[in-house]
Amino acid sequence: NAGVTQTPKFQVLKTGQSMTLQCAQDMNHNSMYWYRQDPGMGLRLIYYSASEGTTDKGEVPNGYNVSRLNKREFSLRLESAAPSQTSVYFCASSLGGQSGNTIYFGEGSWLTVV
Amino acid sequence: QQPVQSPQAVILREGEDAVINCSSSKALYSVHWYRQKHGEAPVFLMILLKGGEQKGHEKISASFNEKKQQSSLYLTASQLSYSGTYFCGTVSGGSNYKLTFGKGTLLTVNP
Repeated sequence: NAGVTQTPKFQVLKTGQSMTLQCAQDMNHNSMYWYRQDPGMGLRLIYYSASEGTTDKGEVPNGYNVSRLNKREFSLRLESAAPSQTSVYFCASSLGGQSGNTIYFGEGSWLTVV
Repeated sequence: QQPVQSPQAVILREGEDAVINCSSSKALYSVHWYRQKHGEAPVFLMILLKGGEQKGHEKISASFNEKKQQSSLYLTASQLSYSGTYFCGTVSGGSNYKLTFGKGTLLTVNP
């Protein structure tokens, strides 16, 4: 019962380094999401993919790129990490297609940029 | 644009009731409620759909006023396990996929 799997769980980066957060789901979901969570700010949508082959910007896309590699996988890339990108990142997925489908979250990735 | 939640925090004694509100400036298709424990992922509680359908938790209820673009989550006879941060998420506009969350309401239930 894996659900939504994110890697890595913890990462420390130096300013200017790049990295990719990986996300995979095994629920045959169509839609996938990346959120970041900062104290007092709630969950903010970075990018989402309504279906395989499509991606769209969320509320805070600057400094990030995404790839919907296939139906299962949706990766988030930081090309040149900045301290402001220190955050907890959650990947999520849902059946999509309708607004009434539950979103399932991964366990989160704790990223620190120094 | 994030929906607005109120209150930001609430402290209860076990057995007391609480109401958490969520409002949006946009017309809403659905409202989603999640609870998050510290250091964990958010967990689904309930979805309220335009038209009145609800799906969710048997011990938690919610309302959705489509005209006012508001939703409220009702926690009755609270238990210690209800402690956590509650988030409302909204789907609005022309997108059925873009789920935007509020900043959260921290609920603390004390013995």
